[in-house]
Amino acid sequence: EVQLVESGGGLVQPGGSLRLSCATSGFIFSNFWMTWVRQAPGRGLEWVANIKQDGSEKSYVDSVMGRFTISRDNAKNSLYLQMDSLRVEDTALYFCAREGRDLDSWGQGTLVNVSS
Amino acid sequence: QSALTQPASVSGSLGQSITISCTGTSTDISGSNFISWYQQHPGKAPKLMLYDVSNRPSGVSNRFSGSKSGNTASLIISGLQAEDEADYYCSSYTRRNTYVFGTGTKVTIL
Repeated sequence: EVQLVESGGGLVQPGGSLRLSCATSGFIFSNFWMTWVRQAPGRGLEWVANIKQDGSEKSYVDSVMGRFTISRDNAKNSLYLQMDSLRVEDTALYFCAREGRDLDSWGQGTLVNVSS
Repeated sequence: QSALTQPASVSGSLGQSITISCTGTSTDISGSNFISWYQQHPGKAPKLMLYDVSNRPSGVSNRFSGSKSGNTASLIISGLQAEDEADYYCSSYTRRNTYVFGTGTKVTIL
């Protein structure tokens, strides 16, 4: 069974940093692109970033470019999102997802709350 | 990277059919066949319902179908059931190797 489990969320002040993790199992992690998607409270889905199987290609939504860094460790079957210079508007539930046939498997999300 | 445009809400009675539209631009929908639809129940993760415009993943009911014409993609839900009440999001893979989601549509069963 494919499983994705996010962790690392929490309360952080504006300007602070957090590192999200996504532990995966049930599939060959190194065969898939991986993605982060976020959802602000009561709002819609927003694609954040993705990364190629070997980490050689990464893309970001404009609003996080230069502040967030996506990475992966294929030996640990894990995906990461380093979030720096956090803003109030980054407050959201962050999901990791597998890019199989589009985003075919999702975790349950980890909540990031940026507030003073 | 503007969000794709969906109606805020669509409603229908049990057994009826409804259509949810998703309008984009030449840089996303009209230039891509990687159009997908996701269902999200409150407090749950999104679930892939259709990929590549009209293909259903294993386990998804054939009451869900999709199409695309120009800049607009559509999700059709036929034979509405109570469990179909949820939020629905379209998504398009773009020419920049990124994804863009729609604004989301709340489906209500009357």
